[in-house]
Amino acid sequence: EVQLVQSGAEVKKPGESLKISCKGSGYRFTSYWIGWVRQMPGKGLEWMGIIYPDDSDTRKSPSFQGHVTFSADKSISTAFLQWRSLKASDTAMYFCARPRSVYPDDAFEIWGQGTMVTVSS
Amino acid sequence: IQLTQSPSSLSASVGDRVTITCRASQGISSYLAWYQQKPGKAPKLLIYGASTLQSGVPSRFSGSGSGTDFTLTINSLQSEDFATYYCQQLNTYPLTFGGGTKVEI
Repeated sequence: EVQLVQSGAEVKKPGESLKISCKGSGYRFTSYWIGWVRQMPGKGLEWMGIIYPDDSDTRKSPSFQGHVTFSADKSISTAFLQWRSLKASDTAMYFCARPRSVYPDDAFEIWGQGTMVTVSS
Repeated sequence: IQLTQSPSSLSASVGDRVTITCRASQGISSYLAWYQQKPGKAPKLLIYGASTLQSGVPSRFSGSGSGTDFTLTINSLQSEDFATYYCQQLNTYPLTFGGGTKVEI
């Protein structure tokens, strides 16, 4: 079964760092891009960007440029989303997702279950 | 590219035909997808390429349109269809989503 499994919920303080993960299984991890989508409480979906695990090529939304880092470790079939200094406004559910095909601009067919990140003093 | 969905919410009954529109701020050919999201769950892909039904999705869902104007139609609404629906353009980075349409009872 093709699936993405994300790490568990996190509660952090402003200014702290955080790295959440998304592990793929059931398919060749290095052949498909992995995207990240933010959903703030009670709000809609926001496309953050996408990473190609084989060479870490990245496409990122300008809205998230400079604040988050995408990375991947193909040896463990896992993609990561990282913050160096969290803000309260980073409080949201974060989904990872895999496109239908090997192209980065294809619809997201496979989704992780989401990781809730809460940033509060 | 900005996507504007309308309406933002609607009330419907089981058996109704529901139509949701998505308008792009510039032409995106047929590079549009539709998703369904239920509370506390990840989105689910319904349609890609503006009109191609994803495998396993009931045929009561259909999509149409090209260029800037798109439509998601649900024929004979079922109880399990009450959810929020999002469009996403796949033409130009960043691959933006519409604001969502909540379908309520």
